[in-house]
Amino acid sequence: GAVVSQHPSRVICKSGTSVKIECRSLDFQATTMFWYRQFPKQSLMLMATSNEGSKATYEQGVEKDKFLINHASLTLSTLTVTSAHPEDSSFYICSARAIPGLVGNEQYFGPGTRLTVT
Amino acid sequence: DAKTTQPPSMDCAEGRAANLPCNHSTISGNEYVYWYRQIHSQGPQYIIHGLKNNETNEMASLIITEDRKSSTLILPHATLRDTAVYYCIVSKGPSNSGYALNFGKGTSLLVTP
Repeated sequence: GAVVSQHPSRVICKSGTSVKIECRSLDFQATTMFWYRQFPKQSLMLMATSNEGSKATYEQGVEKDKFLINHASLTLSTLTVTSAHPEDSSFYICSARAIPGLVGNEQYFGPGTRLTVT
Repeated sequence: DAKTTQPPSMDCAEGRAANLPCNHSTISGNEYVYWYRQIHSQGPQYIIHGLKNNETNEMASLIITEDRKSSTLILPHATLRDTAVYYCIVSKGPSNSGYALNFGKGTSLLVTP
């Protein structure tokens, strides 16, 4: 149990285009989902926190108009990188936290999406 | 969240116990100690968490000192597949679903044949 999936696993896009990444909790409902970014040889950096049905909360320095987050249901959150540039190339990882009382309430991570912008 | 300090790297022989230390001297009373690991190019994997009592599951054991200022993750019989970066994270507990996990640099564990 407690599986989080991401799609796609890797994507290559041209500079200036937009890319959507999906994060799904497959066997539990998640009131809160988190989006992280990881550059090579660095640790995970939190980008934003999203709660189902409300606007995401972005970390300082993360442009909300560039990284659009939608958490439309208790099992799906999407991250859209708009007008992507080479510096947005990174490993994007989502995580989901179960509704309190379910599945131990630990945070479970997706396998990550490798974005390369050419 | 309290900050954690971990050694940047450790080695362990296959089949031996791997003991990974973590200092969290500023931990507050309602903060838990979480351990995750990340194998290269994968998402982090939950290992174990605890508040003040020692914990054990099928993956590992977590030993928390009585003053809660440090802890040790123990992998009892390390295998080559345990080679990963191990993160010790202090965060509000399971009832606070809105709290993200703040990852430090972790410990890179290399298990050798």
